[in-house]
Formats: sequence, structure tokens, C-alpha cells
Amino acid sequence: GAVVSQHPSWVICKSGTSVKIECRSLDFQATTMFWYRQFPKQSLMLMATSNEGSKATYEQGVEKDKFLINHASLTLSTLTVTSAHPEDSSFYICSAKTGGTYQPQHFGDGTRLSIL
Amino acid sequence: QKEVEQNSGPLSVPEGAIASLNCTYSDRGSQSFFWYRQYSGKSPELIMFIYSNGDKEDGRFTAQLNKASQYVSLLIRDSQPSDSATYLCAGLESGGSYIPTFGRGTSLIVHP
Repeated sequence: GAVVSQHPSWVICKSGTSVKIECRSLDFQATTMFWYRQFPKQSLMLMATSNEGSKATYEQGVEKDKFLINHASLTLSTLTVTSAHPEDSSFYICSAKTGGTYQPQHFGDGTRLSIL
Repeated sequence: QKEVEQNSGPLSVPEGAIASLNCTYSDRGSQSFFWYRQYSGKSPELIMFIYSNGDKEDGRFTAQLNKASQYVSLLIRDSQPSDSATYLCAGLESGGSYIPTFGRGTSLIVHP
């Protein structure tokens, strides 16, 4: 149980392109979803937290107009990197959890984004 | 500011030994703790979670929590080369925003 599917797993695109990443909870309802970014050999960096039906809460320093997050249903959240540039190249990982206090979050497999 | 501290390592142990991974946290309000394993180039995978003082065992893994000392650990018995990975500790405050605080992770190397 607790499977989180993330798609696509790898994206290579030109600078200026917008890229959408999907995150789905397959067998549970995710009241909260998280988006992380991770550079090689670095720790996870939380970008934003989203609750179904409400606007995402972005961490300090993360541009909300650059990284658009939509959490339209209890099983789907999307991250759109708008007008991507080479410095946006990174490993993006989503996670999802139910609302229970002690419930852990479960991670998707991640999306490796390379901007040329 | 809530902090979760881990020694970055690497921690090197021989195959078959017990690997002990440690984590301390600053927020006394933290109630539940999670251990994730992350292989290089992959996303984190949940290993165990614990929210009561004491030990919790699952197969070769034992999580230990001491809230008085603000200390949580993960023991891996009979370590295997396939256990070589980065282990992330995370703490979660009850009644809060449900946003866990992650440590930077400890790199474990199990050598044959």
C-alpha cells in the first residue's frame, strides 16, 4: 500500500520550455502533498506544501510564479516549472501523506529534469 | 528553528555487523519520527516510523526513541552491502502543520 506515482521520470528539454510533473497517490487519499528538490549529493530541499483544494504554501526563496503547483484532487498534484532554465535542472521529488498526525509521507520515484 | 541533526558520515561497517545510525532533534514538540533510505539517484523509501519511547523492531531494523534526550536511532542488524545508502531521519510535530523536518542524512557503506 501507500504507492505514489510520479511522472515523467526523466525530462530533457530546451531552455524556455515549461515542464509539468504529475504526482499521484494510487491507493490512498493524500490530503497533503509535498514537493522537494534535490541537487547531487545534497539534502532534500522542501519547495512547497499543498493541500487539496487550496493554494500551495511555498518555502522561503521559492518563486511561486516559477514553480506552479496545483492540487486539484485528493490523488493528484502537479508541479509546473515555467520557462525553465539550466539552473532549474535538478531532481524533483513529490511525496504524499494522509491527514493522520503520525502518518509518514510516501515518496514518488522522482523526476530528473535536465534543461539544455 | 526546528532542526534534525545527523552525522553525514560515511559510516563504514563490515558485512554482518550492526550499523547504528543516530539522529538528534531540537524541537521538543516533535512526536513522531521516520527513517528513510535513499539510494544514490533514487527517491527516499520509508523504512520505519516510531512515536513512542523505546524500541520498535521490524526484521533487521530497530528504531529507538528517547524523547527525554531528544534522540532517535536506527540499528541495522546483519548489515548487507545492499544496505549501503543514505539514511534520512525526519521528525514531525503533532498538531502542527504536518511538515516533517529532515536531517541531511547519514551515508552508510557496508563492505564485504
